[in-house]
Amino acid sequence: GQNIDQPTEMTATEGAIVQINCTYQTSGFNGLFWYQQHAGEAPTFLSYNVLDGLEEKGRFSSFLSRSKGYSYLLLKELQMKDSASYLCAVRDSNYQLIWGAGTKLIIKP
Amino acid sequence: ETGVTQTPRHLVMGMTNKKSLKCEQHLGHNAMYWYKQSAKKPLELMFVYSLEERVENNSVPSRFSPECPNSSHLFLHLHTLQPEDSALYLCASSQDVTAGANVLTFGAGSRLTVL
Repeated sequence: GQNIDQPTEMTATEGAIVQINCTYQTSGFNGLFWYQQHAGEAPTFLSYNVLDGLEEKGRFSSFLSRSKGYSYLLLKELQMKDSASYLCAVRDSNYQLIWGAGTKLIIKP
Repeated sequence: ETGVTQTPRHLVMGMTNKKSLKCEQHLGHNAMYWYKQSAKKPLELMFVYSLEERVENNSVPSRFSPECPNSSHLFLHLHTLQPEDSALYLCASSQDVTAGANVLTFGAGSRLTVL
């Protein structure tokens, strides 16, 4: 079956760096997405990777290794507002999105 | 209004009630989706519409009935639900079903509680 694994919860300190990992086993690959979801709000798009390597967008970066079935989301200079759930999703060969259960990130002062 | 709007934001219903969830997008997108989000579980795709035609129905029970009258509006009609159907129901839209990065724009969701 198809599967996305990511940690259930992580805690980090304001101003620090945190890396949220995502591993996947899917039928084919047509891109990997990261979304951010604050409690009670809509998920919002953060990043898209389809080729291996690092994509940087301000304080957030996303990395992909297709051969390892692995991605991570790197958040730098953490702020309290970064407390949220981070959802990893992979688009398979049928263009279906396979979702992870999300990682709840708690930022402490 | 901009983006994707869902109403109502909260809904409590009994198992014998009939209710509907509404979704409206103001982005000019061609595809619209219904997802179910339960605590600590992955998003579950329920229905996909492309240009008002249903293209995906992931074995969803018939007590959930979608309707897409035009490319901007999507409804989810609910009847004789079960307590396990209590969840957050998210509507999303995208430019197309398969094109490019196909980024989804989500609504804030309708929190459903079935008593």
